[in-house]
Amino acid sequence: AQTVTQSQPEMSVQEAETVTLSCTYDTSENNYYLFWYKQPPSRQMILVIRQEAYKQQNATENRFSVNFQKAAKSFSLKISDSQLGDTAMYFCAFMKRIQGAQKLVFGQGTRLTINP
Amino acid sequence: DAGITQSPRHKVTETGTPVTLRCHQTENHRYMYWYRQDPGHGLRLIHYSYGVKDTDKGEVSDGYSVSRSKTEDFLLTLESATSSQTSVYFCAILPDSRNYGYTFGSGTRLTVV
Repeated sequence: AQTVTQSQPEMSVQEAETVTLSCTYDTSENNYYLFWYKQPPSRQMILVIRQEAYKQQNATENRFSVNFQKAAKSFSLKISDSQLGDTAMYFCAFMKRIQGAQKLVFGQGTRLTINP
Repeated sequence: DAGITQSPRHKVTETGTPVTLRCHQTENHRYMYWYRQDPGHGLRLIHYSYGVKDTDKGEVSDGYSVSRSKTEDFLLTLESATSSQTSVYFCAILPDSRNYGYTFGSGTRLTVV
C-alpha cells in the first residue's frame, strides 16, 4: 500500500522568507503523480502544484516549486518570497496512475504560518 | 472549474441518529469520492464511486454507506452516528483531465454530540 509522510506538523516563518515543506512516500509503482494541496482557513482544498513521476524536471508554479527525488521517494515543496496569504495547511498527496478509479493518498499535513 | 457542491456545510447531530451528506456535481464526471479529514491523519478515503450504482470501500469505511442513483449525486450516510465520526467530510470528483487530480467540494463539518 502507498503511504505518504509529512514529518513537520507545524512550521512558521517570516514574510518574504523561503520555506521548504518535506514529504516522503512509499510505493512500488513506477508511474504515478504527486501533488501539493493548500487548505486555507476557508477549508477549501486548492491544488498548488503537481509532478508526474516520469518527468525528471521539477515542477514550478510561480513562487512554488518542488524538489522531486524519485529514487529517494521524496517530494518537497519550496515557497519563495512567502506571503501572509500562504498561511494554510499543506497536504502532500500521491495518486497512482492506472485505468479505472484513481485514488489520492494524503500525508498528515503541515500547518504553515507566515508571520508579518 | 467543475461544479461540485456539498450540503449541508455544517451539521450538529446526536449520537445514534442517522445522517446523510450530499455531494452534487454538474458535469457528469464518472468518479466521485468521499474523504474525512481529522487532525494528524490528513484526508482518508471512506468510499468512492466509479459510476451509477457502482461503489467501493476506502480505508475507513466502517460505519458509513454510500449511494449513487444518479451520475450527479453521491450520498454518504452514517447509519447511527457516533462521536468518533465527528469530522470534516470532503467530496471530490476526478475530472476527465485526471492527471490534474481531484476537484474538491467545500466540505461539511459534522459534529456528533
